[in-house]
Amino acid sequence: DIVMTQSPSSLAMSVGQKVTMSCKSSQSLLNSSNQKNYLAWYQQKPGQSPKLLVYFASTRESGVPDRFIGSGSGTDFTLTISSVQAEDLADYFCQQHYSTPRTFGGGTKLEIK
Amino acid sequence: QVQLQQSGAELARPGASVKLSCKASGYTFTDYYINWVKQRTGQGLEWIGEIYPGSGNTYYNEKFKGKATLTADKSSSTAYMQLSSLTSEDSAVYFCARNGNYAVFAYWGQGTLVTVSA
Repeated sequence: DIVMTQSPSSLAMSVGQKVTMSCKSSQSLLNSSNQKNYLAWYQQKPGQSPKLLVYFASTRESGVPDRFIGSGSGTDFTLTISSVQAEDLADYFCQQHYSTPRTFGGGTKLEIK
Repeated sequence: QVQLQQSGAELARPGASVKLSCKASGYTFTDYYINWVKQRTGQGLEWIGEIYPGSGNTYYNEKFKGKATLTADKSSSTAYMQLSSLTSEDSAVYFCARNGNYAVFAYWGQGTLVTVSA
C-alpha cells in the first residue's frame, strides 16, 4: 500500500496570510505514460463531508476558488492557499488515486486566528 | 445535479451486522464507481472498497475483506454496504462517494454514523 504522510498536523493562520501544507507519498505517483501525478486534495469542514479541491496534483475542481493551488511531483506535494479566508477553516486531506487501495494522508487541521 | 443520499444513523450490538444504503440520483447509476470510506471520530479517512454498478464488480481494501460486503441495485440506483461481526472498532461515520473521471471522489453522501455498543 502507498503510505501518505501529511505535515503539519495542524496550523493556525490569520485571514489574508499564505498557507502551505505538505503531503508525501511512499512511492512515486507519477504515471510515466501521461506524465500526470495521481494526487488529490480534499477539504472537510466541521460536520460536513469531504469536498474535492484538486486532482492530478494541480488541476482545480470546477468551482473551487483560485486561491487553492496544488503543486508537486513524484512523491512530494503541496497545497497552498494564497490568501486564507475565515471560511477555509477545515481539515485538509491528500489522497493518492494512482493505485488501489486508495489511501489518504492523516490530514492537516487549519485553524484561523 | 448529482446527489448521494445515505441512510440514517445505526446503533448496533457487538457481533451484529448492519446494512447501509446510498441512493444515487442525477446521473446514470451504472456508469460510475461508488466507493465507501470510513472515518472514525476526529481521525482520517480509510478507503473500504468500490463497486461498479454496471457489472457488479467489486474491489476491496484487504483490510476490510470479510468485514464489508458491497452490493448495488440497479433498479433503485442504490448502493449498499453490509458490515458484519461488529466491534467497537467499527464505530465510525461511513461515507459513500462517487468517482469523477479519474478515480477521485467528486461527489459524497452526507455520511452514516454507526455506533457499536452493548
